[in-house]
Amino acid sequence: AQSVTQLDSHVSVSEGTPVLLRCNYSSSYSPSLFWYVQHPNKGLQLLLKYTSAATLVKGINGFEAEFKKSETSFHLTKPSAHMSDAAEYFCVVSDGAAYGNKLVFGAGTILRVKS
Amino acid sequence: EAQVTQNPRYLITVTGKKLTVTCSQNMNHEYMSWYRQDPGLGLRQIYYSMNVEVTDKGDVPEGYKVSRKEKRNFPLILESPSPNQTSLYFCASSLSLNSGNTIYFGEGSWLTVV
Repeated sequence: AQSVTQLDSHVSVSEGTPVLLRCNYSSSYSPSLFWYVQHPNKGLQLLLKYTSAATLVKGINGFEAEFKKSETSFHLTKPSAHMSDAAEYFCVVSDGAAYGNKLVFGAGTILRVKS
Repeated sequence: EAQVTQNPRYLITVTGKKLTVTCSQNMNHEYMSWYRQDPGLGLRQIYYSMNVEVTDKGDVPEGYKVSRKEKRNFPLILESPSPNQTSLYFCASSLSLNSGNTIYFGEGSWLTVV
């Protein structure tokens, strides 16, 4: 069975400082992992995805994530936060066809960026 | 432009009055699904469809119906809405069951049942 735990419900950083959003997962197979972002009153936008290729994945807007199988983690990072990064972020796992291609979402992390 | 389009975006309705939220995608995707988003719970899958005339229950199907008569459309039907179905709903689509495929989301439909 799949599950996702986002370790922080809220993260607050100052503009220009690094961002770290933490995600741990459990999966019976080799999972696909995603990070999605949701800005207020908007839909979900894919930031990046891991699908068993390189373990360090680069996404849009300067974000990246590293897949660590031994730690079952997929933390999202960015070297320098911008005000426009303020949003809710979701870590997502999928085991693919074996589980109906269902996406299992974490509860979300709200990122606040202070000026 | 690749799009998943949901309508209505905002709706306030009364308990028991049937409603339908439409979803349409223009990417010729086989796979479509519906999610609801509630605070602190992330998104939970309601129903999904692997292709035309093929639908199955997700994690929270109670009180909902779906149909997939055409590839591009996947409406969500609430036969008798109740206040616990007040939520933000997302429709999503992807090319196939391959787990590496990106899933595209609509902009969401805010539903309030009073």
